[in-house]
Amino acid sequence: DGGITQSPKYLFRKEGQNVTLSCEQNLNHDAMYWYRQDPGQGLRLIYYSQIVNDFQKGDIAEGYSVSREKKESFPLTVTSAQKNPTAFYLCASSIWGHGNTIYFGEGSWLTVV
Amino acid sequence: AQSVAQPEDQVNVAEGNPLTVKCTYSVSGNPYLFWYVQYPNRGLQFLLKYITGDNLVKGSYGFEAEFNKSQTSFHLKKPSALVSDSALYFCAVSKDNNAGNMLTFGGGTRLMVKP
Repeated sequence: DGGITQSPKYLFRKEGQNVTLSCEQNLNHDAMYWYRQDPGQGLRLIYYSQIVNDFQKGDIAEGYSVSREKKESFPLTVTSAQKNPTAFYLCASSIWGHGNTIYFGEGSWLTVV
Repeated sequence: AQSVAQPEDQVNVAEGNPLTVKCTYSVSGNPYLFWYVQYPNRGLQFLLKYITGDNLVKGSYGFEAEFNKSQTSFHLKKPSALVSDSALYFCAVSKDNNAGNMLTFGGGTRLMVKP
């Protein structure tokens, strides 16, 4: 099946820990994205990557880091510098270009304990 | 700067009745507009988009949306609501940078369809 796979679905982080969320796509899309969704709110862009080995900050990049070593993979690390990390994280991908549809994975819940 | 407004946090409709979920936008230049649906604990599913051409766009699951440039609106509609349409709906506009297709999302509207 073609699609976007995020793992894990649920993740718990202790104070001061870094955690990494995985995102893999087999749609052969150039571009990949990470969004954050807080309960009852819309989505905010964290990072995006147009091509391999290149990525750009979105609207709320502070406290997060990414890498894009392979076309299929775009992991997100939530660092200890992110003071309020509890949220639903959505990975997405698309063909790069204005107006192309962005497709989303099933999301990952991160909770600070 | 681009923005999207979904003025209703929640829309309630009876099954079988028509539904409308409202969206207005602000963007410089020509807008690319999208609707997505989100079921609980799931990712967003693409419903439809307006790029150019006919102002009435048809999408998945019987949904359609009408682009109105003079009112800067892109309301989502369905002639006959189903209980299974109950979900969170997001309108989005594509940013008008020169290269990309990052989306700016509205805050979402919860649709409740009652039997």
